[in-house]
Amino acid sequence: EAGVTQSPTHLIKTRGQQVTLRCSPISGHTSVYWYQQALGLGLQFLLWYDEGEERNRGNFPPRFSGRQFPNYSSELNVNALELEDSALYLCASSPWVTGGNQPQHFGDGTRLSIL
Amino acid sequence: AQSVSQHNHHVILSEAASLELGCNYSYGGTVNLFWYVQYPGQHLQLLLKYFSGDPLVKGIKGFEAEFIKSKFSFNLRKPSVQWSDTAEYFCAAFMDSNYQLIWGAGTKLIIKP
Repeated sequence: EAGVTQSPTHLIKTRGQQVTLRCSPISGHTSVYWYQQALGLGLQFLLWYDEGEERNRGNFPPRFSGRQFPNYSSELNVNALELEDSALYLCASSPWVTGGNQPQHFGDGTRLSIL
Repeated sequence: AQSVSQHNHHVILSEAASLELGCNYSYGGTVNLFWYVQYPGQHLQLLLKYFSGDPLVKGIKGFEAEFIKSKFSFNLRKPSVQWSDTAEYFCAAFMDSNYQLIWGAGTKLIIKP
């Protein structure tokens, strides 16, 4: 079984630019979650998509957005990049069962560096 | 606000020592609790989970955790650690009020051979 795949693995951008990160969930999983893991911090919840809809959103500004496609893959978009956006962005997937209490399966992440 | 606290950011042990990593959550409602592990160079993976029933749950690689509702705790234990347990351990709680998985900051565990 193929795991969660994310692309690209590394990305370097400058302040003010925009970036798109991609995630393909495990086959059969309908929920996709995005997290930000900054150095020294735990995972901060960004977004949760299921069946193409945004189910929940973490405490991040609107320049963080995303979408989920009919094949359940997902994109995370970050506009007007700031230095503090430098982090590892993790995608996870799970089946949808009564409210997201299924264990999440993680990809390897995209390391975003802002210069 | 709901939160998950892991009190030890770094733990260093010798092989065969016993391990207990603390995890506390702040929420009075229903929670589902998880421990995840990230071995060096690998992605996060589930170690064990608690949804309901027996508060002592067993996971992979000899790990176990005990849910103590009165203490809002879900501590991870292993009676005898191995060098291969060197990893970062994350506690997480799914709280039904906000439909989010809230994560602790993680504990880096180093096992000296």
